[in-house]
Amino acid sequence: GAGVSQSPRYKVTKRGQDVALRCDPISGHVSLYWYRQALGQGPEFLTYFNYEAQQDKSGLPNDRFSAERPEGSISTLTIQRTEQRDSAMYRCASSPDRFSYEQYFGPGTRLTVT
Amino acid sequence: QKEVEQDPGPLSVPEGAIVSLNCTYSNSAFQYFMWYRQYSRKGPELLMYTYSSGNKEDGRFTAQVDKSSKYISLFIRDSQPSDSATYLCASNTGGFKTIFGAGTRLFVKA
Repeated sequence: GAGVSQSPRYKVTKRGQDVALRCDPISGHVSLYWYRQALGQGPEFLTYFNYEAQQDKSGLPNDRFSAERPEGSISTLTIQRTEQRDSAMYRCASSPDRFSYEQYFGPGTRLTVT
Repeated sequence: QKEVEQDPGPLSVPEGAIVSLNCTYSNSAFQYFMWYRQYSRKGPELLMYTYSSGNKEDGRFTAQVDKSSKYISLFIRDSQPSDSATYLCASNTGGFKTIFGAGTRLFVKA
């Protein structure tokens, strides 16, 4: 079946612009996670959704970052007033259960802020 | 100090060698321990998981957890060039927040 998909795969934006990154999880997966992965590092937790409920957003760096999953399926991570330090790979993962060690990752969106 | 520490490598071995990859962690509440494999320009994929202490074997791969020393290991037997990737260890307490190590880059030379 189809895996986790993310769009766009690459995004170049100018400092100060807003960006929206989309994640389409595996159909039927309850949990959805957003991570940020710097080069040479492991994924860093940003936020977690159980269905449409955002149950943890403790990893979001500041209030320029927000995420939603309004219908419990597709999720959007929005970064407002982007800064160069926001440049990174943003990854989405989904899992079939609420508490699951088994996460399926998407290909990521490479964000570059110029 | 990061909650999960991992030597970034790179680690280069000849084909057929036994590979040992290791991590340490600091949070005593961690209960689940995972190994993910990440090929270049791809997302991580779950390789194995272990609950609490002990060993788990799956084909050429063996995962070990020693909670007394907070040490996590992955062994790869008869390594193949296709095993060349970055290996990420990860842990969580049984909830939804997973902490990843930085990853170890492995090269298996034919």
